[in-house]
Amino acid sequence: DAKTTQPNSMESNEEEPVHLPCNHSTISGTDYIHWYRQLPSQGPEYVIHGLTSNVNNRMASLAIAEDRKSSTLILHRATLRDAAVYYCILRDVWAGGTSYGKLTFGQGTILTVHP
Amino acid sequence: DAGVTQSPTHLIKTRGQHVTLRCSPISGHKSVSWYQQVLGQGPQFIFQYYEKEERGRGNFPDRFSARQFPNYSSELNVNALLLGDSALYLCASSLPPGGGQETQYFGPGTRLLVL
Repeated sequence: DAKTTQPNSMESNEEEPVHLPCNHSTISGTDYIHWYRQLPSQGPEYVIHGLTSNVNNRMASLAIAEDRKSSTLILHRATLRDAAVYYCILRDVWAGGTSYGKLTFGQGTILTVHP
Repeated sequence: DAGVTQSPTHLIKTRGQHVTLRCSPISGHKSVSWYQQVLGQGPQFIFQYYEKEERGRGNFPDRFSARQFPNYSSELNVNALLLGDSALYLCASSLPPGGGQETQYFGPGTRLLVL
């Protein structure tokens, strides 16, 4: 599996934008970039995914570098409810064999939001 | 609509015992995956089942097994429990897997403590 690197932790103030970086220098052309987050005492929750172009949804935006070796998850106005561990995950469109359906989670970034 | 449900929510076992964890996917989802999350780490992929067949397997010993039923619910079985099996066990469901874009929807997990 291609590897991702994220900062261990980040802090933000409420109602300010948050930019969570992810490096994936060994990404292949068929890897989708997925972001999940895990709130305290809950299972992970899907946030957003993309391949090459920037993506927006109601939760966040995903900015993907032109060379695809890095990406940034953008929370436009952080709230206290956004405090969570954020995981950047690569998913190969052709993943098969024993990797079929597999999400490979790293350590993620612990986001703390201050009121 | 109900999300992914798991039972029980908490469980305490002793070393050497076996345990069965249960998962009901979101209605219409035919794929179920199991993950183990040890405290302080990201979830680790154990299995994926689709149409009652094992389609993906992580690096776990044969003490771990699972099955999927005709109604797409699933059981995870762990035999000969070890202290190191203490973890949060997460179930995730998705529409037919593959393609790199599928979203996995996680349940709240079963917290297993092995004494």
